[in-house]
Amino acid sequence: GQNIDQPTEMTATEGAIVQINCTYQTSGFNGLFWYQQHAGEAPTFLSYNVLDGLEEKGRFSSFLSRSKGYSYLLLKELQMKDSASYLCAVRLYNNNDMRFGAGTRLTVKP
Amino acid sequence: DAGVTQSPTHLIKTRGQHVTLRCSPISGHKSVSWYQQVLGQGPQFIFQYYEKEERGRGNFPDRFSARQFPNYSSELNVNALLLGDSALYLCASTLGLAAETQYFGPGTRLLVL
Repeated sequence: GQNIDQPTEMTATEGAIVQINCTYQTSGFNGLFWYQQHAGEAPTFLSYNVLDGLEEKGRFSSFLSRSKGYSYLLLKELQMKDSASYLCAVRLYNNNDMRFGAGTRLTVKP
Repeated sequence: DAGVTQSPTHLIKTRGQHVTLRCSPISGHKSVSWYQQVLGQGPQFIFQYYEKEERGRGNFPDRFSARQFPNYSSELNVNALLLGDSALYLCASTLGLAAETQYFGPGTRLLVL
């Protein structure tokens, strides 16, 4: 089967760093994506990893280990506007299917 | 530049009816994907179309169908609506078939009574 697991909820303090983990068991892996989704809005693209290692984009970084089926999204210098759901998604090679996790709801507190 | 647009924004239907949802991708994008997102869950892949051909299909019943037009816009059709079809339907466009970035539209919120 195809499983993508991420924590349901996390809380962090403004200015801090938070790491959101994602583990996956899928066939035909062809890339891992992170999206941000504010309540009532569409997901917006944050990052993409297809090779092992760390991708950095400003305050956001994403890491991938294909052998471990593991990724994380690192958010630095947290701001109140970072309160949102963060979705981990794996693209499958054979069907262009994108499999999403249920999302991690992050609450940033003052 | 306009992003991905979807219509209508909200829709209320009753069980057994059918519905057509529309999506216009970003100008120049040739691939459109459809997703269903139930409250509290991540999006579930329904279809992907590229150059007017179906290139991917998720685990949805045959009541769900879609098509893509020569201008790359797309329609999602759902027949014999069930209460469980109530969800946010998202359309995403990409430049090509396996492009890195999907751009999502604002979605159509469907309520089936």
